[in-house]
Amino acid sequence: AQSVSQHNHHVILSEAASLELGCNYSYGGTVNLFWYVQYPGQHLQLLLKYFSGDPLVKGIKGFEAEFIKSKFSFNLRKPSVQWSDTAEYFCAVNNNDMRFGAGTRLTVKP
Amino acid sequence: NAGVTQTPKFRILKIGQSMTLQCAQDMNHNYMYWYRQDPGMGLKLIYYSVGAGITDKGEVPNGYNVSRSTTEDFPLRLELAAPSQTSVYFCASTSGVMETQYFGPGTRLLVL
Repeated sequence: AQSVSQHNHHVILSEAASLELGCNYSYGGTVNLFWYVQYPGQHLQLLLKYFSGDPLVKGIKGFEAEFIKSKFSFNLRKPSVQWSDTAEYFCAVNNNDMRFGAGTRLTVKP
Repeated sequence: NAGVTQTPKFRILKIGQSMTLQCAQDMNHNYMYWYRQDPGMGLKLIYYSVGAGITDKGEVPNGYNVSRSTTEDFPLRLELAAPSQTSVYFCASTSGVMETQYFGPGTRLLVL
């Protein structure tokens, strides 16, 4: 069965710092890739997704992610984080069977 | 559109009690899912449905049951609550198996 690994459990950054959250998956076939965000006390919301085409995907709130097929990775980036980005971030991989990573908690200090 | 709605928001159960978590969507999605979210574990799929009358087990189905009599509703039933079922439960729906899933606000369940 496919699995999704998020390497960082908790990341603490100061405002304006750059962010990169890692995501790797184990499945070798065609997949759709997602990053979801969960703000404190809220439900999961889609941040961005990759289905095909340009491997650099831009999402909401200045986030982007790059799909590197050879590395089975879909890392999330943001050049300059804000306090309001404090949330939990989940990578998900779908190959007719959606699997989520364990999540990365991001804390941005003002 | 209300999207995906879930009730209740929070519930405390005693061991051995039963309850039904409600989930409804108004997007005419065929696919619906139930997940549980535990700290540091991400989301685990409990059950899913590909259309009215069709349900199937996910990763962690033990202790749960579902039904799908209509396209809109996908209730999750706990028959004999156990402390291990303390979790946050999310319902999701999508128009296609590979498409974006839309999540409800969640139900926080505490079993004591």
